[in-house]
This record gives sequence, C-alpha cells and structure tokens, in this order.
Amino acid sequence: AQSVTQLDSQVPVFEEAPVELRCNYSSSVSVYLFWYVQYPNQGLQLLLKYLSGSTLVKGINGFEAEFNKSQTSFHLRKPSVHISDTAEYFCAVSAGSARQLTFGSGTQLTVLP
Amino acid sequence: NAGVTQTPKFQVLKTGQSMTLQCAQDMNHNSMYWYRQDPGMGLRLIYYSASEGTTDKGEVPNGYNVSRLNKREFSLRLESAAPSQTSVYFCASRDMTYEQYFGPGTRLTVT
Repeated sequence: AQSVTQLDSQVPVFEEAPVELRCNYSSSVSVYLFWYVQYPNQGLQLLLKYLSGSTLVKGINGFEAEFNKSQTSFHLRKPSVHISDTAEYFCAVSAGSARQLTFGSGTQLTVLP
Repeated sequence: NAGVTQTPKFQVLKTGQSMTLQCAQDMNHNSMYWYRQDPGMGLRLIYYSASEGTTDKGEVPNGYNVSRLNKREFSLRLESAAPSQTSVYFCASRDMTYEQYFGPGTRLTVT
C-alpha cells in the first residue's frame, strides 16, 4: 500500500516571494507522482506529473517539482507567487493495477498582498 | 468536449434516503473513479472501474455501490444515506498517460 504525507496544512506567503510545498510518499512498488490544484468550489486540475526520466518536472503556471527517490519526496516549488495562486494543493501517488491515486491531505496556499 | 460531467451539483438528503450520483466522460477513457473529499483528509477513493464491466472497492467503500453502465458512465449509489456520508463527491477518468481528469463535484448533505 502507498501513502502520502503533506507536511504543511497551511502555507501563507507574500506575493512575489518563493514557495515550496512539501510532499513525502511511501510505497513498496514504483509509483507515478502528481500535483493537483483545487480552486474554491471547483474540481481538481493537474499541475504536473512525474512518470519517469528527468527528476525535475515543470508544470503549468510556473510551478515545478523535483522527484527525490532516496528521500521519497516530491516537493512543489514556484520562484515567485501571485495572488491568483491562492488555492489548495494536493500531492498524489499512483500505484496498483488500475493506477488509482492516493492523495495527501492537502496544503492550503494563501498568497498575501 | 465536456470532459467529465457530474449530476447533481448539490443534494440534501434525510437519513435513510437513497440517491444515485451520475458521472459521464466523453474522452473515451477506460478507467473511472469515485472519490469523496472531506476537510483535512484530502480525497479518498470509494470505488473504481478499470474498464467497462469491472468495478473494485477503494479505501472507503462501505455504504456505497457503483455501476459501470457503459464506457462513458459510472454511477455511485447511496442505498441508505447517513450523516457520515455528508461530503463532496468527485468522479474522475484516467487517460493513457495516467493523468486523471476530475468532474466539478457533487456537494451532498445528509441531515
């Protein structure tokens, strides 16, 4: 079985500052890794994913994440955030025969003016 | 191309009532999923269907049933609703690159 831990439930940050949202996972098999974003009262939208290859993955809206196998981490970063980045962010791992997703509990990113 | 659609958007039930949440996708995906989202718990998998004609239990299946009606449609049924089933329900489908596409959700309140 796999599990995902998002280490921070809330992250406040000032506009134009950098941000890192942390994610650690555990799994006994190889996994695929994802970050999704959820804006208020909406469904989830994919930010980026790691399937294989380069460990640095670039996604939409200027976000990137680095897969670190030895530390079983997949932290999300953005060098300069905007007010519009305020949302909840979910890290997820995909494993199992149907590649079902296991989600972390989410990190609420609030960008302050 | 509507992606993943869900009906209804909102529903209020009394304890013991039944209802079916509908989900449809127009992307020709084989795999479909039902999740529930509760504050502080992320999304938890209720049931999934790897292909038309198959369904399997996820992490929290108790109190729910599903039907994969055809390749497009995957419904979730609550036979006897309980207050613990108050939640936001999301349907998703998965493409060949393992990305899941989510519907807008159904907000269910059981009183």
